[in-house]
Amino acid sequence: EIVLTQSPGTLSLSPGERATLSCRASETVSAIYMAWYQHKPGQAPRLLIYGASSRATGIPDRFSGSGSGTDFTLTISRLEPEDFAVYYCQRYRFSRWTFGQGTKVEIK
Amino acid sequence: QVQLVESGGGVVQPGTSLRLSCVGSGFTFSSYTLHWVRQAPGKGLEWVAVISHDGSTEYYSDSVKGRFTLSRDDSKSTMYLQMNSLRAEDTAVYYCASPPRVVALWGQGTQVTVSS
Repeated sequence: EIVLTQSPGTLSLSPGERATLSCRASETVSAIYMAWYQHKPGQAPRLLIYGASSRATGIPDRFSGSGSGTDFTLTISRLEPEDFAVYYCQRYRFSRWTFGQGTKVEIK
Repeated sequence: QVQLVESGGGVVQPGTSLRLSCVGSGFTFSSYTLHWVRQAPGKGLEWVAVISHDGSTEYYSDSVKGRFTLSRDDSKSTMYLQMNSLRAEDTAVYYCASPPRVVALWGQGTQVTVSS
């Protein structure tokens, strides 16, 4: 069973700074099956990126995804106040979804 | 309005049962494969189960296999999660969700608490 490991666990940054979040898979994953979500307390998770690099509808272009093989990255080019949240990578197949343990992006 | 809405959560004792519902609106419900995902207190997201768009195929996580059962009634635009033999570790917010595409639908979640 595939395992997704996200790093760092917590990222302390200031508004305006660049955030780089990593997701490493325990085995090679097809990029078309990788996604990223933003999750805030009391809210539903929000899809940001699917297919490793495609932005979902309505997602600002400061969010970008990249990667292949076992290493995937979510980049937030300039943090806005509303971007402070927990981020999860996901490997999705019809038969099973796997999530990383999450990276918390907090205000420094 | 395109949305998924969960209901049916509550506080139950270990060993008992609960049925969650997920109602869709604003889209062609019968065309969608749907999943359940849960988040236990202080933990991350955990995938629970999936049912195909036509209800013919289901998969479950190892942690719920044999205890939880999925079904759907497309005439009511509703998916059900029958949860039996509930355990304390099933305590979580349960979300229904569609696969990640250009748009992904997630409900707001329903709280399930298993406690004596």
